[in-house]
Amino acid sequence: AQSVTQPDIHITVSEGASLELRCNYSYGATPYLFWYVQSPGQGLQLLLKYFSGDTLVQGIKGFEAEFKRSQSSFNLRKPSVHWSDAAEYFCAVGAWNYGQNFVFGPGTRLSVLP
Amino acid sequence: DAGVIQSPRHEVTEMGQEVTLRCKPISGHNSLFWYRQTMMRGLELLIYFNNNVPIDDSGMPEDRFSAKMPNASFSTLKIQPSEPRDSAVYFCASSFDRRTDTQYFGPGTRLTVL
Repeated sequence: AQSVTQPDIHITVSEGASLELRCNYSYGATPYLFWYVQSPGQGLQLLLKYFSGDTLVQGIKGFEAEFKRSQSSFNLRKPSVHWSDAAEYFCAVGAWNYGQNFVFGPGTRLSVLP
Repeated sequence: DAGVIQSPRHEVTEMGQEVTLRCKPISGHNSLFWYRQTMMRGLELLIYFNNNVPIDDSGMPEDRFSAKMPNASFSTLKIQPSEPRDSAVYFCASSFDRRTDTQYFGPGTRLTVL
């Protein structure tokens, strides 16, 4: 079965600093890859997704992610963090075509210092 | 569109009672997902439906849990009897295509079983 790891449980950055959230997956083929964000007390919102093609994917709110097959990674980046970016970020993997389901990583909580 | 609607938003019940959570997906979406979120286990996919048919319920923790989707605009998740360890936030999500499309999440139901 596929799995997703997010090595950083909690990250703190200063407002205006760059951000990179790590995501690694374990799967035999290229799955569908997603990043979601969850603000406190809210549901999840999709930031971006990757299925095929260009390995650098642009999303909403200025986020981007790069798929690296050789590293089985799909890291999320933002060049300049805003205080409103403080939230929980989830990487997710979908492998429907192979009888697998949709799996979320454990999440990374982002705190932003003023 | 109003988005995915879940009710109730909060539910407090006593152990042994029956609990029913409700979800109205986005009109036109043909896939519906039920998730459970806890601090210990993160986000877990419990069950998903495609065109009102349950496709995979392997994530349902026990026979005490059951889910139905009698029509395209309504789904329920029932716990009977409820136990304190069922306390969690339960999310419903819907999408147009379960494999590739964005899942739109509802605001969640926070369940507390005393």
